[in-house]
Amino acid sequence: DGGITQSPKYLFRKEGQNVTLSCEQNLNHDAMYWYRQDPGQGLRLIYYSQIVNDFQKGDIAEGYSVSREKKESFPLTVTSAQKNPTAFYLCASSIAPSGAGDTQYFGPGTRLTVL
Amino acid sequence: AQTVTQSQPEMSVQEAETVTLSCTYDTSENNYYLFWYKQPPSRQMILVIRQEAYKQQNATENRFSVNFQKAAKSFSLKISDSQLGDTAMYFCAFMTDYNQGGKLIFGQGTELSVKP
Repeated sequence: DGGITQSPKYLFRKEGQNVTLSCEQNLNHDAMYWYRQDPGQGLRLIYYSQIVNDFQKGDIAEGYSVSREKKESFPLTVTSAQKNPTAFYLCASSIAPSGAGDTQYFGPGTRLTVL
Repeated sequence: AQTVTQSQPEMSVQEAETVTLSCTYDTSENNYYLFWYKQPPSRQMILVIRQEAYKQQNATENRFSVNFQKAAKSFSLKISDSQLGDTAMYFCAFMTDYNQGGKLIFGQGTELSVKP
């Protein structure tokens, strides 16, 4: 079955630690995205990648980093510079890098809690 | 800046009834795309329906249909014959036509409860 997987489902982090959230897709999609969701709010774009070895900042990139070494993988690192990292993180992908109206398909998400 | 507004934080409907969720947006673009996503308690985001702004015809997907009013910048979602499984957060989202890497702008969501 094709789809998007995210791991882990729940993640706990101590203050000052970096953590990496995994996102893998087997849909053969070129474009991948990371969104953050806070309670009572919609999703906000952190980073996106339209093609391997290339990525751009979204609206709230500060304190986050990404890599795109393989087409199917787009890991997100939450660094200690992110002041309020507790949130629900969603990864998405779409078929083509143009972004012109392509539907984005989402993974099941990772809930990150800072202790 | 483009914005999406959902003015109804919560709504409820009786099973088998019809409900309409509101969404307005602000943009100066002429070509764009609009989406409704559903987020059930599992928190998985699921595409409900997609509308292309240059198409006059309103999109329909089984029990789900939209009322797209381009001049009014309104994009409401109608759910007919509501089912208990429709209970979820519903998000309206907007994407421009030019290359911003497929950036989706979301509204704050409407929490829909379907009551038996």
